[in-house]
Amino acid sequence: NAGVIQTPRHKVTGKGQEATLWCEPISGHSAVFWYRQTIVQGLEFLTYFRNQAPIDDSGMPKERFSAQMPNQSHSTLKIQSTQPQDSAVYLCASSTGHINTGQLYFGEGSKLTVL
Amino acid sequence: GQQVQQSPASLVLQEGENAELQCNFSSTATQLQWFYQSPGGSLVSLLSNPSGTKHTGRLTSTTVTKERRSSLHISSSQTTDSGTYLCAISTNTGKLTFGDGTVLTVKP
Repeated sequence: NAGVIQTPRHKVTGKGQEATLWCEPISGHSAVFWYRQTIVQGLEFLTYFRNQAPIDDSGMPKERFSAQMPNQSHSTLKIQSTQPQDSAVYLCASSTGHINTGQLYFGEGSKLTVL
Repeated sequence: GQQVQQSPASLVLQEGENAELQCNFSSTATQLQWFYQSPGGSLVSLLSNPSGTKHTGRLTSTTVTKERRSSLHISSSQTTDSGTYLCAISTNTGKLTFGDGTVLTVKP
């Protein structure tokens, strides 16, 4: 089992450019989560899917961030018109989807730097 | 919303000493997980313990659900235990809310 796979590991963009981050959850896991980690804010929840359906996107900045899960084997997080304050490590996690027992397993993260 | 408070914020030990990390939360938790993050590293799940006591290796977690608190005990600490320990809870929603973590430094 390869674990949660995130690509790219590092991405540098210029201000105003678009960034797309990919996540491949653990095979058989039905829930996929996106978090953002910065030194100042810590770990912030962004959004999550269960069985490919969006369940909760309450943490997503509404205007420039979007997430999709077109099939059970991958999810994408897209940031349009990136800003320096978007610089962070974006973490994807998956779980079996059982609310009370499903442990979250995290990928190694995608470090986004916006110049 | 849910709040998760961890203490202490940082802890420095000599190798071989025991560590006790605390997590207090403001809502009833249906899921509670402890994670470890090495400096610059990824999050690794240590224990899932919404109630009672669980052991794995040198780690023991005790969660008292009705008092909304959990602890993580690390026995005989090693230098390789150094890093950040994070507590996270969910309340019937599936998503985890994280505390700010305890930074543990174990000196040789």
